Amino acid sequence: GAGVSQSPSNKVTEKGKDVELRCDPISGHTALYWYRQSLGQGLEFLIYFQGNSAPDKSGLPSDRFSAERTGGSVSTLTIQRTQQEDSAVYLCASSPHLLQQWGYTFGSGTRLTVV
Amino acid sequence: GQNIDQPTEMTATEGAIVQINCTYQTSGFNGLFWYQQHAGEAPTFLSYNVLDGLEEKGRFSSFLSRSKWYSYLLLKELQMKDSASYLCAAPSRDSNYQLIWGAGTKLIIKP
Repeated sequence: GAGVSQSPSNKVTEKGKDVELRCDPISGHTALYWYRQSLGQGLEFLIYFQGNSAPDKSGLPSDRFSAERTGGSVSTLTIQRTQQEDSAVYLCASSPHLLQQWGYTFGSGTRLTVV
Repeated sequence: GQNIDQPTEMTATEGAIVQINCTYQTSGFNGLFWYQQHAGEAPTFLSYNVLDGLEEKGRFSSFLSRSKWYSYLLLKELQMKDSASYLCAAPSRDSNYQLIWGAGTKLIIKP
């Protein structure tokens, strides 16, 4: 597609439920990143993919968080047994290669609210 | 730890010039990024500095001093649409593929 697409744009869920967030990167971009942005905080790195591989999962906050990428394209971030502290905007970004100097293209994010 | 520090909020007048500072404490340095983020929208790339000095792009310029661990974003001829948050980011010392982000500077432009 022309840009990075994320769905849903907004998600309200009850504490304890599982949620799945989707990211569709720019076609041909091999690198894909997930970040989390809480109010008044800097972007928090969660995970990156090079192709379908995720070499570094250290940014995932807990084992309730997981992510996968298939076909070198769409990625899903899954949060199990959601907690109120998971409420944030989850941003996905892609780039042609890892950390190219002209930066990433971000999607518009998924605003997750856990009630 | 690894920190990126920038002011929380700044106010400036339409048509004026404003400088947003960023100091960073990450080693293994490989460039410093500036992004613009309008409220409720995704961050968009503004600039990338890897060498010392000033890089100009129209009304926006970005400066880097690696010896002082310091950068700034300079916005000239401010327009109301420049009201946004400006985010500074640098690669983590642990991984070139992981950026450490500042909390952002909210710039308010007044007529």
